[in-house]
Amino acid sequence: EMQLVQSGAVVKKPGESLKISCQGSGYTFTSYWIGWVRQLPGKGLEWMGIIYPGYADARYSPSFQGQVTISADKSINTAYLQWSSLKASDTAMYYCAKHRSPAPGLSEIFDLWGQGTMVTVSS
Amino acid sequence: DIVMTQSPDSLAVSLGERATIHCKSSQSVFSSSNNNNYVGWYQQKAGQPPKLLIYWALFREPGVPDRFNGSGSGTDFTLTISSLQAEDVAVYYCQQYYGTPFTFGPGTKVDIK
Repeated sequence: EMQLVQSGAVVKKPGESLKISCQGSGYTFTSYWIGWVRQLPGKGLEWMGIIYPGYADARYSPSFQGQVTISADKSINTAYLQWSSLKASDTAMYYCAKHRSPAPGLSEIFDLWGQGTMVTVSS
Repeated sequence: DIVMTQSPDSLAVSLGERATIHCKSSQSVFSSSNNNNYVGWYQQKAGQPPKLLIYWALFREPGVPDRFNGSGSGTDFTLTISSLQAEDVAVYYCQQYYGTPFTFGPGTKVDIK
């Protein structure tokens, strides 16, 4: 069974760093782009960026470029989303999701989602 | 960026009746190279991650009930729930994957009347 399992909810202070994870199983992790989506409390979905774990090729939305870093460790089938200095406005649910079809095609939809990681940033 | 808009923001439909959601892209998301529209639809129930319903504007994801149907081409797309069931209460999002960033619509909330 294909799964994406995300790390647990976290509470951080403004200015702190954070790295959340998303581990894939049940499929060839290195063959599919995997992305991150933000959902602010009570709001809609925002596409942040994607990474191809096979080559560690990452693409970002201009809205998130420079604000977060997307990475992957193919040896443990895990993708990451990290912040170097959190802000209160980063408080949100973050989902990882994989593309429906394998690479090399970039233009694909998400067919499998993780359960979400709630990040709360508060002093 | 390609901007996706949806209408209505919310709707309430009686059980067994039809629900129709519209999605419009700010530019065409049709590719003549493969004759596909790069649009999909998701369902998000309260407290859950989104679930893929429709891809390439028309194709139902395996396991999705056949009361969910996608249509449209170019810039205008529609998700129709032919006979609303209680378990269909959710927010529905369209997404384009024609060009990065692969933007989502703002969502349409569907409730029971």
